[in-house]
Amino acid sequence: SQQGEEDPQALSIQEGENATMNCSYKTSINNLQWYRQNSGRGLVHLILIRSNEREKHSGRLRVTLDTSKKSSSLLITASRAADTASYFCATDLTGANSKLTFGKGITLSVRP
Amino acid sequence: GAVVSQHPSRVICKSGTSVKIECRSLDFQATTMFWYRQFPKQSLMLMATSNEGSKATYEQGVEKDKFLINHASLTLSTLTVTSAHPEDSSFYICSARGPSGGTGELFFGEGSRLTVL
Repeated sequence: SQQGEEDPQALSIQEGENATMNCSYKTSINNLQWYRQNSGRGLVHLILIRSNEREKHSGRLRVTLDTSKKSSSLLITASRAADTASYFCATDLTGANSKLTFGKGITLSVRP
Repeated sequence: GAVVSQHPSRVICKSGTSVKIECRSLDFQATTMFWYRQFPKQSLMLMATSNEGSKATYEQGVEKDKFLINHASLTLSTLTVTSAHPEDSSFYICSARGPSGGTGELFFGEGSRLTVL
């Protein structure tokens, strides 16, 4: 089964609102990463949070990590129509050259 | 940032033919690249880990004779879908660890959409 499970599966909000997406995982991680994918395109890395970090910011993005609950959240503030995309969390389980395991993704639609 | 180029972006082929997809790291050397497959509205499924100068490591259930991977240089990995069939139609994406290697973000190609008629 997937290591990372995002919820909700789909989210539709109005431009200007905040979008919160959650990810849960099963086993211990070195880090957790969030990626974005526009339809039919490759993935773009958004942010990485290490297992010893609890919160991280990057522009309009805020990521939290709760290792006791094995969960992470991605908050996009003041959403824009251009934020419409699929968002994936990915967990890095081991050290160098380890493979990332991706969740099923969340489809975010931001209405203008 | 690191750039990964994937080619072709779209390919249509007849059943029974073979198709090669290239993945290049343009401004850095990638000793390890990863090949994923993605079905519509689904997650990325790791197919194999491509290691420069050695054999690829395939995930369970992925046929290595069906999906041939070659990583002959530090900037190029290729995936060849041999004797393609309609069920092989999918979106294939490659990625590489950045210049610093190790744990960290992956840089993805733009993906290749394969349609087998």
